[in-house]
Amino acid sequence: KAGVTQTPRYLIKTRGQQVTLSCSPISGHRSVSWYQQTPGQGLQFLFEYFSETQRNKGNFPGRFSGRQFSNSRSEMNVSTLELGDSALYLCASSREGQGREKLFFGSGTQLSVL
Amino acid sequence: AQKVTQAQTEISVVEKEDVTLDCVYETRDTTYYLFWYKQPPSGELVFLIRRNSFDEQNEISGRYSWNFQKSTSSFNFTITASQVVDSAVYFCALSEAQGTYKYIFGTGTRLKVLA
Repeated sequence: KAGVTQTPRYLIKTRGQQVTLSCSPISGHRSVSWYQQTPGQGLQFLFEYFSETQRNKGNFPGRFSGRQFSNSRSEMNVSTLELGDSALYLCASSREGQGREKLFFGSGTQLSVL
Repeated sequence: AQKVTQAQTEISVVEKEDVTLDCVYETRDTTYYLFWYKQPPSGELVFLIRRNSFDEQNEISGRYSWNFQKSTSSFNFTITASQVVDSAVYFCALSEAQGTYKYIFGTGTRLKVLA
């Protein structure tokens, strides 16, 4: 069974640009969540999607957005990039997104903003 | 508000030593779940263990064991006879039983096991 796949693995952008990251969950998993990982802040919750609906959103500015498609694949978009957006962005999937479930993580997308 | 604190930033041990990673959490929920995840250099977090709030039985799974103390809001994780391959960053996480669809992670403890 294939794991969670995130593309691309690495990205380099400049300030002001926008970026789209992709995540394919494990087959049968309908919940996809996104986390930002930085050395200073650790893992911060961005948002969670289930059946194409965003059910929760973390404390991030509106420049961070996401969506989920009918096949459960998800994308997140960051517009008007800032230097502070440099981070490892991790996607995680689970069957229902309930708190009792363990998350399956992808290897992440390392975003560098210059 | 929910919060997870891992006070140990980095720990170094020599191979075959036992090591305990500390985790203290805060929540007002009566039903919740606690997790430990391991993040090797590849970046992918890997699930290790899960504990629910209504079962304080402590368990051992291979070289891993955990100590859940509801009275002190602690969920410590022990690796027995550590190995070099255990070197990674370990995260403690908290989630509500249902409803918020998010996990609160601690800042992680970097474990270095020296040969």
